[in-house]
Amino acid sequence: SQTIHQWPATLVQPVGSPLSLECTVEGTSNPNLYWYRQAAGRGLQLLFYSVGIGQISSEVPQNLSASRPQDRQFILSSKKLLLSDSGFYLCAWSVEGRGTGELFFGEGSRLTVL
Amino acid sequence: AQSVTQLGSHVSVSEGALVLLRCNYSSSVPPYLFWYVQYPNQGLQLLLKYTSAATLVKGINGFEAEFKKSETSFHLTKPSAHMSDAAEYFCAVSVTDMRFGAGTRLTVKP
Repeated sequence: SQTIHQWPATLVQPVGSPLSLECTVEGTSNPNLYWYRQAAGRGLQLLFYSVGIGQISSEVPQNLSASRPQDRQFILSSKKLLLSDSGFYLCAWSVEGRGTGELFFGEGSRLTVL
Repeated sequence: AQSVTQLGSHVSVSEGALVLLRCNYSSSVPPYLFWYVQYPNQGLQLLLKYTSAATLVKGINGFEAEFKKSETSFHLTKPSAHMSDAAEYFCAVSVTDMRFGAGTRLTVKP
């Protein structure tokens, strides 16, 4: 069966420090991968998606970047965190073409920037 | 572009009462529609999805939703609320990307 792992689960970082959140999927190959950010009362905002290794699309301009160094690995990064980067970050994958299949979510990473 | 609007950020019901969570969508083409549930500090879990087959969709945990094209709605219902249903619920529409509503927090009173 397929599983998705996301870490760390909780992170407290000072403003200006770097960030690396990692997500890996097991039990499937060539998944579509996504990073969402969830802010209180705002639902989920799509940050990045990837349909293959090295293929990253960004939905909104921001202080974050994403990379996909391996087929089932998706990394969210920042060189210098801002207070506004605080939130709950969710990695997700889908097996079908974009827009047609359900998303499978990781457990999330809660980032607090102080 | 597709979008969804969830009516009511908070809904409170008594245990055993009907649960009704409202969702209206906007899409220029026939959409796929989803309901997800999120428990505190966890990821989202799929409750049910509509993919242009039957308009009444049954999901897990006794939930169901009805697709009404004339009303552009996809409301989520459950006949009898249980304490374990307390969570946040997200409606989503998907054409090229999954777009989520702002969420509705369901509280179940004993």
